[in-house]
Parts: sequence; structure tokens; C-alpha cells
Amino acid sequence: AQSVTQPDIHITVSEGASLELRCNYSYGATPYLFWYVQSPGQGLQLLLKYFSGDTLVQGIKGFEAEFKRSQSSFNLRKPSVHWSDAAEYFCAVGAHGGSQGNLIFGKGTKLSVKP
Amino acid sequence: EAGVAQSPRYKIIEKRQSVAFWCNPISGHATLYWYQQILGQGPKLLIQFQNNGVVDDSQLPKDRFSAERLKGVDSTLKIQPAKLEDSAVYLCASSLDTSNYGYTFGSGTRLTVV
Repeated sequence: AQSVTQPDIHITVSEGASLELRCNYSYGATPYLFWYVQSPGQGLQLLLKYFSGDTLVQGIKGFEAEFKRSQSSFNLRKPSVHWSDAAEYFCAVGAHGGSQGNLIFGKGTKLSVKP
Repeated sequence: EAGVAQSPRYKIIEKRQSVAFWCNPISGHATLYWYQQILGQGPKLLIQFQNNGVVDDSQLPKDRFSAERLKGVDSTLKIQPAKLEDSAVYLCASSLDTSNYGYTFGSGTRLTVV
């Protein structure tokens, strides 16, 4: 069965520091992979997605993610974090086949940014 | 372009009562999803509609949850009777189709069952 693991429940980084959020997935074929961000009281906003091709994906707000098939990972990175990046981040894998279109989410990583 | 509209934003009910949530997707979006997000967890799909037909409701607790999408536009999700464990944020999302996962999420309805 498809699944997504985000090992870190909560991460705190200093403003201006670099960030890496980890995501591991379980899927039998080439996955469709996504990162979403959720601010308090808001819906989810897509940061970036990977379907195929270049394994380094650029997204909005200066985020990028790298797909590593050998490690079943899709880690999210940002070189310099801003206070406004404080939010919860969700990694997701897209289901194939009959349930195409459905997303399976990890439990999320809450990011705190200290001044 | 208007986003996905959901109402109400918040709802508090007692257990065993019923509740209904409403979602109006982006105009022209054929696919509509309802997700349940329990505190501390990621969203979990409850039901997927393609126009007014159900594509996937395998994770919908059908003994108490029901959903409909009449005329293939807006949708309602109902819980009857509610249980304490139904406390969650209910997110609606829509997309043009399923091929590129181009979701737009609404802000959600936060349900508290006491």
C-alpha cells in the first residue's frame, strides 16, 4: 500500500538558516510526489510537485525538492528561511490507477522560525 | 478566479447530533474531494466525485457519513450521528480533472464534537 512518512514532527530553525524537511514514501511504481504548506486556519497550498524528468524540482517561495529513487525520498529544502515560512508542511504521494487523483499525505512537519 | 468556498468555518455540536458541511468548487472543476484532517495528522481522503458521480468512497464511514454532489457543482458532506472522534477539519478540494493533481483546497470547516 502507498504511504508517506515524515520523520520529524516539529523542527525549529533560525531565520536565515537553511532548511531540509524529510519525506520518505512507499510506492510500487514511479510516484507522483508533492509538498504542500498549511498556515493556521488555512487550506493547503501546493509548493511543488514531481511527476517525471529532472529529479530536482523548483517550487514557489524559494523551495526546492529532490527526488531520490534509491532512497525513496523527496526532501524539501530552502537555503534561507524567512519568518513567514513558519507553518506546517505536508508531503504527499499521488495514487495511481482507479484512484488517480487522490493524495495520500504524511502526518506533517511543523516548522517554527526563531528570530 | 474565486477559490473553493466552504461553510461554515467552525461548528461545535454534541455527540449524536447531525451536521452538514457545504463546498462550492472552482467553476468548471469536474473533480471534487472531501478530506478529513484530524489534529496532528495529514488529510485523509473521504470521497472523490467526478462530476456528480462517486469515484472513490472506500474510506468514507458510510454508517454515519454521507455526501452528495447534485448537478455536478457544489457538494454537501453530512455526519449523522456524530461521534467524538469525528472532531477534525473537513477540507474540500477541486480540480479540473485527475490527470495532473491540480488541486485547489478550501480553508476547511473545523468541527468540534463535545
